[in-house]
Amino acid sequence: QKEVEQNSGPLSVPEGAIASLNCTYSDRVSQSFFWYRQYSGKSPELIMSIYSNGDKEDGRFTAQLNKASQYVSLLIRDSQPSDSATYLCAGGDGAGGTSYGKLTFGQGTILTVHP
Amino acid sequence: GAVVSQHPSWVICKSGTSVKIECRSLDFQATTMFWYRQFPKQSLMLMATSNEGSKATYEQGVEKDKFLINHASLTLSTLTVTSAHPEDSSFYICSALTNEKTQYFGPGTRLLVL
Repeated sequence: QKEVEQNSGPLSVPEGAIASLNCTYSDRVSQSFFWYRQYSGKSPELIMSIYSNGDKEDGRFTAQLNKASQYVSLLIRDSQPSDSATYLCAGGDGAGGTSYGKLTFGQGTILTVHP
Repeated sequence: GAVVSQHPSWVICKSGTSVKIECRSLDFQATTMFWYRQFPKQSLMLMATSNEGSKATYEQGVEKDKFLINHASLTLSTLTVTSAHPEDSSFYICSALTNEKTQYFGPGTRLLVL
């Protein structure tokens, strides 16, 4: 089993809908999790981090962490065409939303938001 | 967020030559920087961890003599691809770790070896 695994998609949603991106991780991956967005040909940009069970909201984005199920998700509300990108889930080895070293990435989920 | 730059943004070179890529943290000091490689339609793979003033730590399967890393200051790390070959063509991305232990990525360097 890969350490961090994502549904590679692609995922297609209409504009204005909720996009749901999912990620599972193995025991060896850490305590803090990060969602990055990567546009084609560009490097990843950090959307948000989460390290406590439950939900964390930032604008149109909500990250959810369930440590018992080893599951992390990202919800994007009111999806816009500009949200079309590859979304990368990563696990970090620090507590409290930090990463002291290696980030372990999933393979990414391609999201397309169509008008 | 913190700003990380890379130079050059893209480079084309002949097989057998060496290429140096710079990674700079522009508005913060970074004791630790990371070098990743990303092949088309694949995720990022960590190559090595670069620590200021000490030797880099390489991931399994990454040749340290081929990918030379130097982290001579708190704002600069360099990756030199020695004797580059076409299979080294890839998107090389660095990241820098802030004092708050968050990684921010540079814009990446696209390398094409002919």
